[in-house]
Amino acid sequence: AQSVTQLGSHVSVSEGALVLLRCNYSSSVPPYLFWYVQYPNQGLQLLLKYTSAATLVKGINGFEAEFKKSETSFHLTKPSAHMSDAAEYFCAVSSLNTGFQKLVFGTGTRLLVSP
Amino acid sequence: DSGVTQTPKHLITATGQRVTLRCSPRSGDLSVYWYQQSLDQGLQFLIQYYNGEERAKGNILERFSAQQFPDLHSELNLSSLELGDSALYFCASSGLGAGENIQYFGAGTRLSVL
Repeated sequence: AQSVTQLGSHVSVSEGALVLLRCNYSSSVPPYLFWYVQYPNQGLQLLLKYTSAATLVKGINGFEAEFKKSETSFHLTKPSAHMSDAAEYFCAVSSLNTGFQKLVFGTGTRLLVSP
Repeated sequence: DSGVTQTPKHLITATGQRVTLRCSPRSGDLSVYWYQQSLDQGLQFLIQYYNGEERAKGNILERFSAQQFPDLHSELNLSSLELGDSALYFCASSGLGAGENIQYFGAGTRLSVL
């Protein structure tokens, strides 16, 4: 079975500060890993994905994540937070070896950005 | 815009009733997934269809059912509704082939059971 743990249900940063959202996964097979963002009253938008190519993955809006197999982690970072980054962020895992698999989501981290 | 369309955006109904949620996938996508997002359960996978056939089942109640039609749109039917069924229901679609294991989400249908 696969699972995702997101540490911290809320993370608060100041505008311009580093954003770090943590995600650890558990998977018995090589994983696909994803970060999605959900703005208020909207659906989920894909930020970035890891699918066994480069371990450092760059996404939209200046976000990036690094796959670390030894630490079973896929933390999301952004060097400088903007007010517009305030949203809920979800880490998700699915299987690498089988297509069309369900996504298993973490519980989400709400990012708060203060001026 | 993800290209996935869900209707209606909001649905308010009473306990014991039945509702149907509709999803149109991105053009060309054969797979449709349904997820439920609630405060207590988070985002949970319900069911997946691929080209009209059920492919995988998750935490879907027996009161819930889904289908995918020949034109690839999908419907999620929720019956004998309970207060606890109030949630945001998302549909996602994905394509076929290597590198296509990305699910694109619709904006969701917010169901309120009163």
